[in-house]
Amino acid sequence: QKEVEQDPGPLSVPEGAIVSLNCTYSNSAFQYFMWYRQYSRKGPELLMYTYSSGNKEDGRFTAQVDKSSKYISLFIRDSQPSDSATYLCAMSNQGGKLIFGQGTELSVKP
Amino acid sequence: DSGVTQTPKHLITATGQRVTLRCSPRSGDLSVYWYQQSLDQGLQFLIQYYNGEERAKGNILERFSAQQFPDLHSELNLSSLELGDSALYFCASSVGARGSGNTIYFGEGSWLTVV
Repeated sequence: QKEVEQDPGPLSVPEGAIVSLNCTYSNSAFQYFMWYRQYSRKGPELLMYTYSSGNKEDGRFTAQVDKSSKYISLFIRDSQPSDSATYLCAMSNQGGKLIFGQGTELSVKP
Repeated sequence: DSGVTQTPKHLITATGQRVTLRCSPRSGDLSVYWYQQSLDQGLQFLIQYYNGEERAKGNILERFSAQQFPDLHSELNLSSLELGDSALYFCASSVGARGSGNTIYFGEGSWLTVV
């Protein structure tokens, strides 16, 4: 079993929809939780960062962490075609070594 | 633009050969990380250097090695290449040794194809 599980999709939604992306993990030592966005063959770009449990909002993006359930989510409101990309969850304990999920491919149709 | 520079962007080489990938971290960043991204394994941590010293090691093959130089740039050396080494290799950097995720910035990657 992988330390971080993420549904690879692909996920296709109409423009304006609310998108929900999720990851589960098995290592209770993880304290830092990130969401990266990756366009095709480009470097991952940090979208959201959360320490421990709780919610964080940044514009149309909301990240949630539930450490008791070992479950993290990313919500995208009013999705746009420009949001079409692969979304990767990543986690770490205190070190710089990030453990990534497989990534979910999202397509937002106009 | 994250400020992390990687060269070359694309590389095609034959099995059994050796290649070197180069990374210049963001200005002021002391840590450099190397990751491998393949279709079947996803994004995997290889190794981290902090201010010239190896800091953390992941599932890096013995055929692979890395180093960080006094000017903080880093090189990843891949030798005795196999078809399965074909992947996108990312360098990332952060200010501190621990990174903690919020300060780790990725370069655009070096796409290696082994034929």
